[in-house]
Amino acid sequence: EAQVTQNPRYLITVTGKKLTVTCSQNMNHEYMSWYRQDPGLGLRQIYYSMNVEVTDKGDVPEGYKVSRKEKRNFPLILESPSPNQTSLYFCASSLSSGGWGEQFFGPGTRLTVL
Amino acid sequence: AQSVSQHNHHVILSEAASLELGCNYSYGGTVNLFWYVQYPGQHLQLLLKYFSGDPLVKGIKGFEAEFIKSKFSFNLRKPSVQWSDTAEYFCAPQRAGNNRKLIWGLGTSLAVNP
Repeated sequence: EAQVTQNPRYLITVTGKKLTVTCSQNMNHEYMSWYRQDPGLGLRQIYYSMNVEVTDKGDVPEGYKVSRKEKRNFPLILESPSPNQTSLYFCASSLSSGGWGEQFFGPGTRLTVL
Repeated sequence: AQSVSQHNHHVILSEAASLELGCNYSYGGTVNLFWYVQYPGQHLQLLLKYFSGDPLVKGIKGFEAEFIKSKFSFNLRKPSVQWSDTAEYFCAPQRAGNNRKLIWGLGTSLAVNP
């Protein structure tokens, strides 16, 4: 089944404890992206990647890192999480390298930072 | 800056009522247009999309949307809603450019009473 998977789905952590949220797609998509969803603010893009080893900042990149060593995986790294990073995170992928066209979304990761 | 306006933040309807959710965007160039739906506790799913051609597009579950270029609008419609349509609906234009990211509206929460 074509899909985007994320792990973990739920995570409660404490301030400063490094964490990684994994994202994987099995559709051979070029473009991948991370969003966070917050009440009243909608979805905002954190980082995106047009291809392997090519990543760039979105609208709200502060406090996050990403890597794209393989086409299928695009992990989101929080080196030192803070409470303002408590949010619902979505990974998405798209066939074309520019992200042009439909984006497919993962199930989301609900992160709470205490 | 590009922006998206969804006119209704919360809509409550009874089953069989007609639905129209407004969406206006500010970007005047080439755009793709999407409506995504997020059912309670689930990830974002594509409802329908417009790339070019017939401005009236049909999506899943009886939804349709009309692109009116002169008004920069892409309103979502359904003639008769069902309880299972209770969800959050997001309008998301996508502009041409280096990062063809989706520009998200804040969403409309639809509650359908049985």
